[in-house]
Amino acid sequence: QQQVKQSPQSLIVQKGGISIINCAYENTAFDYFPWYQQFPGKGPALLIAIRPDVSEKKEGRFTISFNKSAKQFSLHIMDSQPGDSATYFCAASRSFGNEKLTFGTGTRLTIIP
Amino acid sequence: DSGVTQTPKHLITATGQRVTLRCSPRSGDLSVYWYQQSLDQGLQFLIQYYNGEERAKGNILERFSAQQFPDLHSELNLSSLELGDSALYFCASSVAMADYGYTFGSGTRLTVV
Repeated sequence: QQQVKQSPQSLIVQKGGISIINCAYENTAFDYFPWYQQFPGKGPALLIAIRPDVSEKKEGRFTISFNKSAKQFSLHIMDSQPGDSATYFCAASRSFGNEKLTFGTGTRLTIIP
Repeated sequence: DSGVTQTPKHLITATGQRVTLRCSPRSGDLSVYWYQQSLDQGLQFLIQYYNGEERAKGNILERFSAQQFPDLHSELNLSSLELGDSALYFCASSVAMADYGYTFGSGTRLTVV
């Protein structure tokens, strides 16, 4: 019940396109859903996060869509750029992020010119 | 620089040996989390400390132990090392009830030969 399932495993998107990564969770006690971006040789860095009281959160080109009834959330990257090429992890936790994060398996995103 | 410092960055050691990984959290952060990242298993939660006390335990092997000191830095001790322990070990820190999630360090890459 602690799993977070992430898809796709890898994604290739043309520059300027929209990148979409999906996650699904099982534990209804989760109340904090962040997305992390990781570049090779670096630690994951928080990109954007959402709580279940809202259905969408936007920060610049990055948007989280959240569907509480379906227990799914997704990351949309608009106008994708080569600099967005990285591995993206969704995660979930309880207590608004003050407990351990359970991570998805990651999506390797490649933006091609 | 994320503010979370991990040392050493790389470590090569032989099977059966013991190593200590060190983490200094971001100034003001009371919680420290340790994660293991391997190619086939993603980011796996090991253990959490909050203000010197163990708060939560994940899939941490009995050969592994950790502690958080009064100055809030933390150490992860790995003993009787096996080839399968080769991975990236990340430390993250957070402050209680904050809405910005964790801050990860750059990790320690452990190679067991």
